[in-house]
Amino acid sequence: GAVVSQHPSWVICKSGTSVKIECRSLDFQATTMFWYRQFPKQSLMLMATSNEGSKATYEQGVEKDKFLINHASLTLSTLTVTSAHPEDSSFYICSARDRSRGSTDTQYFGPGTRLTVL
Amino acid sequence: GENVEQHPSTLSVQEGDSAVIKCTYSDSASNYFPWYKQELGKGPQLIIDIRSNVGEKKDQRIAVTLNKTAKHFSLHITETQPEDSAVYFCAANKASNYQLIWGAGTKLIIKP
Repeated sequence: GAVVSQHPSWVICKSGTSVKIECRSLDFQATTMFWYRQFPKQSLMLMATSNEGSKATYEQGVEKDKFLINHASLTLSTLTVTSAHPEDSSFYICSARDRSRGSTDTQYFGPGTRLTVL
Repeated sequence: GENVEQHPSTLSVQEGDSAVIKCTYSDSASNYFPWYKQELGKGPQLIIDIRSNVGEKKDQRIAVTLNKTAKHFSLHITETQPEDSAVYFCAANKASNYQLIWGAGTKLIIKP
């Protein structure tokens, strides 16, 4: 149980294009989903928190107009990197909280998406 | 602000020996402490967690201990195996908003 999927697992795009990454909770409903970015050999950096049906909360320094987050249902959140540039190349990972587990803070992670911008 | 310190950054142990990774947190309101294992190119996988109402939790070869007074918690892996090689992250929750504060990670190397 508590499986989170991400699609695509990797993507290569040209500078200036937009890329959408999907995060799905497969066997539970996610009250909250989180989007992280991870650079090589570093820890996870929280980008934003999204709650179903409401606007995402972005961490300081993260451009909300560049990283668009939509949490349209209890099982799906999407991250769109708009007008991508080489410096946006990174490993993007989502996680989700299980709604049925009440106030638990446990986060279940997706497998990550490797974005390379040429 | 809140932070979690994790040590060591790299740990190399002989197969079969035990490994211990330590974390210290700053927010006294934190009450949930998970440990994640991340293999290269993959997302973090929850391996064990502990809440503040207990001092120790064990799951087969993995155990976590918590000292709330000292604000530190540790991951113990016994009888290490090659498949234990990975990066391990500790975290502590922000009780107010379900976010996690992450340690910097420990690269565990199991030598055959």
